[in-house]
Formats: sequence, C-alpha cells, structure tokens
Amino acid sequence: DTAVSQTPKYLVTQMGNDKSIKCEQNLGHDTMYWYKQDSKKFLKIMFSYNNKELIINETVPNRFSPKSPDKAHLNLHINSLELGDSAVYFCASSQAPPGGEAFFGQGTRLTVV
Amino acid sequence: GQQLNQSPQSMFIQEGEDVSMNCTSSSIFNTWLWYKQEPGEGPVLLIALYKAGELTSNGRLTAQFGITRKDSFLNISASIPSDVGIYFCAGRPTGANSKLTFGKGITLSVRP
Repeated sequence: DTAVSQTPKYLVTQMGNDKSIKCEQNLGHDTMYWYKQDSKKFLKIMFSYNNKELIINETVPNRFSPKSPDKAHLNLHINSLELGDSAVYFCASSQAPPGGEAFFGQGTRLTVV
Repeated sequence: GQQLNQSPQSMFIQEGEDVSMNCTSSSIFNTWLWYKQEPGEGPVLLIALYKAGELTSNGRLTAQFGITRKDSFLNISASIPSDVGIYFCAGRPTGANSKLTFGKGITLSVRP
C-alpha cells in the first residue's frame, strides 16, 4: 500500500544513454513533482504537474522530459545522460495546489558512468 | 528565488537532550513544513503549519510558525538514537502556483 512509489530504486548507466524513471501515487492527489537531490543533499524542484498539466518547469536541461499519462503517474525521461546527472531523483505528490504537503517516494539513485 | 536558511549544517547531541532547529526566509510564507530524511529513504513529513503563530506537536516533536511568517522552528525533546537523520524545513510563499522550497537540511547525530 505504498503511497508514492518510484522505480527503479537504483539505476547505473553509461554516459549518452537514455533512461526513464517511473512514478505512481495512490493517494488521489492532483499534483505531482520531480525533485533532484545532489550530493550535498540539497532538494531542488525540477517539475510539477497538476492534473496532467505542466505548471512548474525549473531551469532544467531539455534532455529531461516529464510525462504524465494520468494524474496518478508522472514519469521522467532523460536523454543523453551526462556525468553531472548523477543524483537521487525523488517523485512526490500533494493534494493542495503546488506547494502543499508533499509526500515523497523512496528515490531513484542514478549513477552515470 | 526564495531561499530558506537552515544552520548549522550538522548538530551533535547526547541522547536525552532537547534540540531546537530553526529556519528563516527572506519572504513571507503561507506554509511551513518539516521533514526528516533517513539514509536511502525519501523525506517524510513530520509537521505541517499553516497559520502564523501556530504551535503543533507530534509526539516529542514540536514546531511553530513564526508570527512574522518568515521563520519556523522545530524542537525535539528527550532525543533518542533513532532521531538521527537530516531535518529539512520547507515553505511555500504566497501565490497560486508558488513552489515548495526546501532548506539545505540539518544532519542530526545523537550519541548514546
């Protein structure tokens, strides 16, 4: 009965590859997010979707493309992976408009070699 | 953009001690949240605050929404070893699509 689940938990890949991370929430929330946590543990928002519509798009390389097939799912596709993309990526969701109480998944640790 | 200041970066306390952390902002916030993150896990919501002056408890944890709406604090009483982790404050400023901004977190260590 996991509330926000993301897969895979670990992802090791070579530079230049394309990869996707999937996220699903069963909380009935309208808003979903992707956050990036760097090696210093700083959490930075990347994207936010409200009812499948993109509402926050921070300064993120366009190699990162979120896709929301329905309001319970928000996937993150990354093209042409670079070493600097290595980080932990968290999916989150909230009921309120962007910025309400956000509930996080367990994270995907992406390592680009 | 908005910035939240959390310091120090690390805190070391003895088991049984109380500890207080605060978070300040350059902007007025409508919402303050406190999260705890343990290794290999995502941040877990501890306490949510929505009104200036609000004081809310969750077990040994107490948090307050500052009356200026530019700060919040979290207090942990009678600390235990499982309190170790990274504590993040997060806040949302005014505005319909304003985003939740996180502080840099404080890593708490508890010595048995």
